[in-house]
Amino acid sequence: TQLLEQSPQFLSIQEGENLTVYCNSSSVFSSLQWYRQEPGEGPVLLVTVVTGGEVKKLKRLTFQFGDARKDSSLHITAAQPGDTGLYLCAGALNAGNMLTFGGGTRLMVKP
Amino acid sequence: DTEVTQTPKHLVMGMTNKKSLKCEQHMGHRAMYWYKQKAKKPPELMFVYSYEKLSINESVPSRFSPECPNSSLLNLHLHALQPEDSALYLCASSQGPNYEQYFGPGTRLTVT
Repeated sequence: TQLLEQSPQFLSIQEGENLTVYCNSSSVFSSLQWYRQEPGEGPVLLVTVVTGGEVKKLKRLTFQFGDARKDSSLHITAAQPGDTGLYLCAGALNAGNMLTFGGGTRLMVKP
Repeated sequence: DTEVTQTPKHLVMGMTNKKSLKCEQHMGHRAMYWYKQKAKKPPELMFVYSYEKLSINESVPSRFSPECPNSSLLNLHLHALQPEDSALYLCASSQGPNYEQYFGPGTRLTVT
């Protein structure tokens, strides 16, 4: 069992649809990051959330950190083919701990 | 500048070869990492250097040998690899061990 569980593992949608990806744990994280990775490339940092209940927006992407800092969600509005990729959440339990990665959500947006 | 660079982009090597992967960052980060990523899987942590000292070795076989010549550079020396070692090797850096990490583009390694 992974410390961070992502769902769904795979999502295929049409351009223009909305979607939400979840990252859940039974542990409390001091911070949590979301990354997007395209095939053959390294993950690109999208956002870091540190405060329980925090909401951050990045254009059509909305990130939320749960009040108890055990879970996070990524919502994409009006998805575009350029949003296609592997979305990874990663969290640090506390100071001195390494980042733990979730299993990833593979998103495909069809034109 | 949030760039981490890696060379080479692609590498094909035989099982008897010796090669090295290189990683460089100029963000003043004091933690650097090597990850291995197989297709459709998340990155798996291999090594962590903190302040140029190896702080974590995630039970990686000795045919992988990391080196941190200075605070900006990280190498991964490869020797006598196996075909199952073929993967995308990612380097990352961060301000400290539990800070957000910035990844390089990776080296696609194929062992024949």
